[in-house]
Amino acid sequence: DADVTQTPRNRITKTGKRIMLECSQTKGHDRMYWYRQDPGLGLRLIYYSFDVKDINKGEISDGYSVSRQAQAKFSLSLESAIPNQTALYFCATSERDIRKRGEQFFGPGTRLTVL
Amino acid sequence: TQLLEQSPQFLSIQEGENLTVYCNSSSVFSSLQWYRQEPGEGPVLLVTVVTGGEVKKLKRLTFQFGDARKDSSLHITAAQTGDTGLYLCAGGWSTSGTYKYIFGTGTRLKVLA
Repeated sequence: DADVTQTPRNRITKTGKRIMLECSQTKGHDRMYWYRQDPGLGLRLIYYSFDVKDINKGEISDGYSVSRQAQAKFSLSLESAIPNQTALYFCATSERDIRKRGEQFFGPGTRLTVL
Repeated sequence: TQLLEQSPQFLSIQEGENLTVYCNSSSVFSSLQWYRQEPGEGPVLLVTVVTGGEVKKLKRLTFQFGDARKDSSLHITAAQTGDTGLYLCAGGWSTSGTYKYIFGTGTRLKVLA
């Protein structure tokens, strides 16, 4: 079984709709991240969480919110989706160990299309 | 602003050829990772380098961290079709008590049979 899972894998929605992307992990890692990937722009950090009570904005958090329901679960919400939020979304995890904090483990991604 | 520039952006080569991909920054990183991403999947960690001048080998892949920890290279010997994918470098650094992490824009490699 995959260590980091994301649901749904694909989603098509309309402008203005609220969307939630979910991420679960069985790696036992404290740290979780949400990224979006756009052609030519690479992976950009939306939000990250170092534990259940510690949530931080990344470089492109506007229009997004997150919830860390448990150590193993981290959800990303688009409150009112817009077309320029069409992208690939990835969840990732990493260990608390300061020596391994740069080593991230990614889920398979969610392809989101906003019409 | 920390930036990680990768070159080339695209590379198409024949099976059996050698290639080198570069990851450059004007800033110093405390560690640097290389990932490979295949279509429809998330990036997969290949290696971490932390010491200036460090060289790590993973079968036919050789990774080097620059002496000043500002750049890195990935060399593939005798490329195979299975090496096809998007190669991403990523680096982390500490600033003002927080840890930052960024990804390069990637090198898309296609190895032709």
